[in-house]
Amino acid sequence: DAGVIQSPRHEVTEMGQEVTLRCKPISGHNSLFWYRQTMMRGLELLIYFNNNVPIDDSGMPEDRFSAKMPNASFSTLKIQPSEPRDSAVYFCASSRTGEETQYFGPGTRLLVL
Amino acid sequence: GNSVTQMEGPVTLSEEAFLTINCTYTATGYPSLFWYVQYPGEGLQLLLKATKADDKGSNKGFEATYRKETTSFHLEKGSVQVSDSAVYFCALSTSGTYKYIFGTGTRLKVLA
Repeated sequence: DAGVIQSPRHEVTEMGQEVTLRCKPISGHNSLFWYRQTMMRGLELLIYFNNNVPIDDSGMPEDRFSAKMPNASFSTLKIQPSEPRDSAVYFCASSRTGEETQYFGPGTRLLVL
Repeated sequence: GNSVTQMEGPVTLSEEAFLTINCTYTATGYPSLFWYVQYPGEGLQLLLKATKADDKGSNKGFEATYRKETTSFHLEKGSVQVSDSAVYFCALSTSGTYKYIFGTGTRLKVLA
């Protein structure tokens, strides 16, 4: 079975540029999560979707961050404009509604210069 | 509020040594407890979980017992291998919610 797929795996960009991260959840999973991992703050939940609808975006740092889930098999996290402090590893995870176990993708390592 | 506290790392052990990584939690209600493992360059993988008091989760030689009286969920393994080198995260999820509260992670390094 394919796990959660994320792309790109690595992204290097310059401050001010737009960055788009992509995620394909496990088929049949209807909950999707975006996390950010940094040394300073650990793992932070950015946003949670259920059945393609954003349920909780309280973790989104600021208006520069936006996330969409146009269908059950695809989600994007966009940063515009990017800043050096956005450098982190961004994880996507999915689960079945009602099940507590989340399945994580391999992450996208973002470096903003 | 809910929180998870893990022992600071890194933890360095020789192969075949006994491993304990401490995890304590604070939560309202009756949370489910998890250990996730992150190998270098990869995402988090569920290692084991327990959903109620006195449950023992186990997988790949690792064990953890849900202790309500001490609000703990310590991870143990009797004989570690070099391949166990990774970062281990303790987490909780309160009933009826989707949110995980993660600990800060403990890096384990096993030397041959």
